[in-house]
Amino acid sequence: AQSVTQLDSHVSVSEGTPVLLRCNYSSSYSPSLFWYVQHPNKGLQLLLKYTSAATLVKGINGFEAEFKKSETSFHLTKPSAHMSDAAEYFCVVSGLSGGGADGLTFGKGTHLIIQP
Amino acid sequence: DAMVIQNPRYQVTQFGKPVTLSCSQTLNHNVMYWYQQKSSQAPKLLFHYYDKDFNNEADTPDNFQSRRPNTSFCFLDIRSPGLGDAAMYLCATSREGDQPQHFGDGTRLSIL
Repeated sequence: AQSVTQLDSHVSVSEGTPVLLRCNYSSSYSPSLFWYVQHPNKGLQLLLKYTSAATLVKGINGFEAEFKKSETSFHLTKPSAHMSDAAEYFCVVSGLSGGGADGLTFGKGTHLIIQP
Repeated sequence: DAMVIQNPRYQVTQFGKPVTLSCSQTLNHNVMYWYQQKSSQAPKLLFHYYDKDFNNEADTPDNFQSRRPNTSFCFLDIRSPGLGDAAMYLCATSREGDQPQHFGDGTRLSIL
């Protein structure tokens, strides 16, 4: 069985300050991990993915995430928040051996608020 | 640009009146998925097609069905919509089941 826990339902930061969105996972297999972003009334857009290569993963729009197996974490960071980063962020794990769509597990999401 | 297109973006139907949502893709991906997303919740997988093979999630109501006539198109049919079926419906594709999914912008379904 696998699960994803996003530790904060809401995160509020000021524009220009760092962003940290926290995600912990559990998986019986070596997981693939993803972060997706969803802007209002839009579909989900892939920010970045971890698939057992480098533990520090760089994504689009200045986001990056670090896979820490010892802490079972995959936190998303950005050095400097922009107003356009305001959105819902989902941490997703895929862990079934050999892949498979039914192996995807979504976190409940973190709503990122950017204060001017 | 290659993409996943959902039509319509907004759909209103009456309680109990069948409705069909459509999704098309130009990515030539093998897998197509349908998700239901209710307000302030994560997307919930309803079912997916791997090529022509249909895979239904165990807790997807019988009221929801899907068709994939060819690689490019996939349809979600709701036979008798109830008020609880009002949601955003997202279509996604991936080349293989364990690869990142590409999402359409969704269809927001309202039930009168």
